[in-house]
Amino acid sequence: DTGVSQDPRHKITKRGQNVTFRCDPISEHNRLYWYRQTLGQGPEFLTYFQNEAQLEKSRLLSDRFSAERPKGSFSTLEIQRTEQGDSAMYLCASSLGTGRNTIYFGEGSWLTVV
Amino acid sequence: AQSVTQPDIHITVSEGASLELRCNYSYGATPYLFWYVQSPGQGLQLLLKYFSGDTLVQGIKGFEAEFKRSQSSFNLRKPSVHWSDAAEYFCAVASLSGGYNKLIFGAGTRLAVHP
Repeated sequence: DTGVSQDPRHKITKRGQNVTFRCDPISEHNRLYWYRQTLGQGPEFLTYFQNEAQLEKSRLLSDRFSAERPKGSFSTLEIQRTEQGDSAMYLCASSLGTGRNTIYFGEGSWLTVV
Repeated sequence: AQSVTQPDIHITVSEGASLELRCNYSYGATPYLFWYVQSPGQGLQLLLKYFSGDTLVQGIKGFEAEFKRSQSSFNLRKPSVHWSDAAEYFCAVASLSGGYNKLIFGAGTRLAVHP
């Protein structure tokens, strides 16, 4: 069990550029989640997948955001036409099944839009 | 709507002193409650969780929390704080929507420990 892995850990981009983050969940975890955390706040839910199916998206996930999990393993989160308000840490998490199973978080990907 | 309130933004304690971090939740049914810890620039680590049964739950690193339904609270405690406990602590409730797997977090409490 190598934990949830995220890449890159830090990204600085110019406003208007596109960025993509990758998440590798714990092996065999069928649920994968994306959260966003801004300074001084708790994480906010963005979306989650069960296997390759995206089951729920938050209203925080604007049309510029898209997440995929094509083979039910790793996931990508793409932000198009980045804005300064997108600057945040993007956290990925995974769990096995539902309900009482622990959700494990990765170390996050920091995005700074300049 | 479900929500979590952590009334204390910052708390400072001396090393060796006891600690209590407050958490209040708003939820219509029996809540699933969690405490996570986050060190600077890092992800979140689960300290403990409550689903049902004994209202006093034990976690890692010597932490415990007590669920009090009458007060809608789930306060985190530690009898003797170590300097390495300095971090940010988040209380969370699992939302019924999404099969109890969507977590709703409080804004966090930042803990500083004086030597």
